[in-house]
Order: sequence, then C-alpha cells, then structure tokens
Amino acid sequence: QKEVEQDPGPLSVPEGAIVSLNCTYSNSAFQYFMWYRQYSRKGPELLMYTYSSGNKEDGRFTAQVDKSSKYISLFIRDSQPSDSATYLCAMSGWNRDDKIIFGKGTRLHILP
Amino acid sequence: EPEVTQTPSHQVTQMGQEVILRCVPISNHLYFYWYRQILGQKVEFLVSFYNNEISEKSEIFDDQFSVERPDGSNFTLKIRSTKLEDSAMYFCASSEGSGSTDTQYFGPGTRLTVL
Repeated sequence: QKEVEQDPGPLSVPEGAIVSLNCTYSNSAFQYFMWYRQYSRKGPELLMYTYSSGNKEDGRFTAQVDKSSKYISLFIRDSQPSDSATYLCAMSGWNRDDKIIFGKGTRLHILP
Repeated sequence: EPEVTQTPSHQVTQMGQEVILRCVPISNHLYFYWYRQILGQKVEFLVSFYNNEISEKSEIFDDQFSVERPDGSNFTLKIRSTKLEDSAMYFCASSEGSGSTDTQYFGPGTRLTVL
C-alpha cells in the first residue's frame, strides 16, 4: 500500500462551486498535514498546514484531518478560475528530521 | 517578496554527461532541499542540507548525486553521469528551520531532459 494516495483527476467544476480534494494515507506516524498548490511550470506553494485531527480555515480554504480514518480533505468555497492548478497533499511525522511525503496531486479546472 | 530562484529553467543533456542544477535559496534561510518530480509522478524528496552538510537523503540520492553550497548564496545539485531515468523536474526549496511546521519555499524548478 502506498504511503499517500491521491486521485490525480482531472477534476472540473463550474465557477462558484465548492471543491473537495482528498487524500488517504497509511502511516499512522504522520502528524503534520499540508496542502500545496502548483501552477503549471511553477514549484509547489504551501497553502495550509494542520497538525493532528481537526479543521483549519483560511479564507475560502478549509483543511480537514481525520486521523482515525487516515483521511484528509481540502475544501475550496466560491471557486474561481484562478484556483485552477494541481493540488498536492503532503504529510510528515513528528520528528524534525522527518521528510515530507507528497501525494501525486489532483489537477483542478474551474470552468468560467 | 523573497523567492527561491533556479537556473536553468530547462537543461537538455546527453546520457552519461554531468549536469549541475543551480539554486539561490531565500537569503535568511538555513535549510536547503532538493526534490524531483518525474512527469506524471509525485514530488519526491532527494536530500536536505544544513550547516554545509547533508542532514538527510533518500534512497534515490545515490553516489551519482552530490550537493554543494559553494558560496553564501548558491546551492547546487550535481548529477555525475546522467541516466535516461534522471529526466524530471528538479525543485530546490529552502526554509528558516527544519521542523515540520517550518514552511519550505519551492523554486520554479529545472526541467532536466536526458537524451
């Protein structure tokens, strides 16, 4: 079983819709959960990170972690065409030397 | 806003040749990283670097790879004898600290094509 699984998409939704992006993971040692956004020909950009289970909101973005199910989500409200990008989930353990493990990324298209 | 820069944006090389990918991390950052992303695959950690030495490396980072901070601003990744399977996007990243909550800022990447 892969450590981090993420549906590659593409996911196409109309402008204004709520977008739900998800990842599952197998390593219960993961403690920090991150979402990166990657535009075409650019490097990943950190959007949000959360620690352990719970929700975190930042503007139109909400990150949700359910450690009991090993499932994380990113919700985008009032989606805009500028949100079109690849969204990468990533996670790491508690130790400072733990490296970040990325999902494959989901390509998102917001249709105007 | 400070950013990580990488050169070149695209490097084409023949199999067996040496390549050096260059990165200029954000100036007050102390931790530096290289990642690679093979087309259609996930971003994979290669190596982290602090205080002029490698702090961690993945199984991908074999003897063909080396990193160096030759001066106060550049951070380089050298591949000694490139193979076809080294073709990928290579991302440099830097962070102020090494903890999991220390944001790693990524550069735009260098696309390496090995023919």
